Amino acid sequence: RKEVEQDPGPFNVPEGATVAFNCTYSNSASQSFFWYRQDCRKEPKLLMSVYSSGNEDGRFTAQLNRASQYISLLIRDSKLSDSATYLCVVSVWGAGGTSYGKLTFGQGTILTVHP
Amino acid sequence: GAGVSQSPSNKVTEKGKDVELRCDPISGHTALYWYRQSLGQGLEFLIYFQGNSAPDKSGLPSDRFSAERTGGSVSTLTIQRTQQEDSAVYLCASSPALAGVGGNNIQYFGAGTRLSVL
Repeated sequence: RKEVEQDPGPFNVPEGATVAFNCTYSNSASQSFFWYRQDCRKEPKLLMSVYSSGNEDGRFTAQLNRASQYISLLIRDSKLSDSATYLCVVSVWGAGGTSYGKLTFGQGTILTVHP
Repeated sequence: GAGVSQSPSNKVTEKGKDVELRCDPISGHTALYWYRQSLGQGLEFLIYFQGNSAPDKSGLPSDRFSAERTGGSVSTLTIQRTQQEDSAVYLCASSPALAGVGGNNIQYFGAGTRLSVL
């Protein structure tokens, strides 16, 4: 079983649609969670961190369910520019509660927003 | 300011040759990471440097892979006797000094080196 699993998609949605991506992780020691975005043939870039209470950044909302080891990303009012691969990312903490550093990536979910 | 810089951006080599990939992290970032991304695959962790601590090499796929970080800044990833399965995009990332308890680890990526082994 992969440490971080995502539905690879692709998701094809019209502009203005709401789309949700889900992700599960297997390591219960995971403590930091992120969504990264990767455009075609480009490097990954941080979209948002994911906090236990859930957090929102404009049209993007992230949720974390530690009990189920599940992370989600909701995109409202999709734009053409949202077309990309969305990567679910987790990080394990080391001794002393400090962030360990190594990121574990899911394979990514491909989103295409069409006119 | 300048981001993470990697060179070369593209590298084509023959099977059996050695290659060196370079990464210049963001100035002041103490943590540096190497990942690789094969076609259609997710990112795979290779190695991690944090300050003067011993690196975490747990992700290196074989002893043909090695990396060093000189002076706490620039890093070089070396692949000896390259094989066709080494073909991938090699990504470097850096992050600031790790936050304390409860801190998040946000990594900033370079554009990568696309390695093709013929």
